[in-house]
Amino acid sequence: AQSVSQHNHHVILSEAASLELGCNYSYGGTVNLFWYVQYPGQHLQLLLKYFSGDPLVKGIKGFEAEFIKSKFSFNLRKPSVQWSDTAEYFCAVEGKAAGNKLTFGGGTRVLVKP
Amino acid sequence: EAQVTQNPRYLITVTGKKLTVTCSQNMNHEYMSWYRQDPGLGLRQIYYSMNVEVTDKGDVPEGYKVSRKEKRNFPLILESPSPNQTSLYFCASSTPGGFKNIQYFGAGTRLSVL
Repeated sequence: AQSVSQHNHHVILSEAASLELGCNYSYGGTVNLFWYVQYPGQHLQLLLKYFSGDPLVKGIKGFEAEFIKSKFSFNLRKPSVQWSDTAEYFCAVEGKAAGNKLTFGGGTRVLVKP
Repeated sequence: EAQVTQNPRYLITVTGKKLTVTCSQNMNHEYMSWYRQDPGLGLRQIYYSMNVEVTDKGDVPEGYKVSRKEKRNFPLILESPSPNQTSLYFCASSTPGGFKNIQYFGAGTRLSVL
């Protein structure tokens, strides 16, 4: 079975600070990896995804994530956050044998202070 | 506009009173899924459907039913709601394309069972 762990439940930082959110997954085979974002009162939106190729993927709004296969990790980063990045962030994994099933981490609430 | 529509957005009910949350997508997607979101637990899959008349249990199916009589609709049924089903529910859809599962989410239904 696949599982996802997000290390931080809550993160508070100031505008212009750098952000890094940890994500580790457990699955023995080929995976697709995702970060979704949920802005206050809104539905989940895809931030970025990794299917194959370059392990450093860039998403919308200046976010990027790096897939490190040896560490089973897919950490999300942004060099300089804005107040509008206040949201909850979810890492998700799809194992190749899992057939469309996405498993989500517990989420990280990020609060950016103006 | 491509979208997943859930209704109602907010629902307060009492224990034991049957309810249905509707979900409809206009993207001709084959795959649809229901999740519940609880603080610290992320999104957990309740049921999913690979196509019309094909449904299967997710990780937390107890107390829920679904049906998939048409491709666009995937209602979630709570025959006898209980307080532990108070949660935020999301419907999602995607087109299985090999093994690249980008899911599109509805706006969510916040359910309170008293």
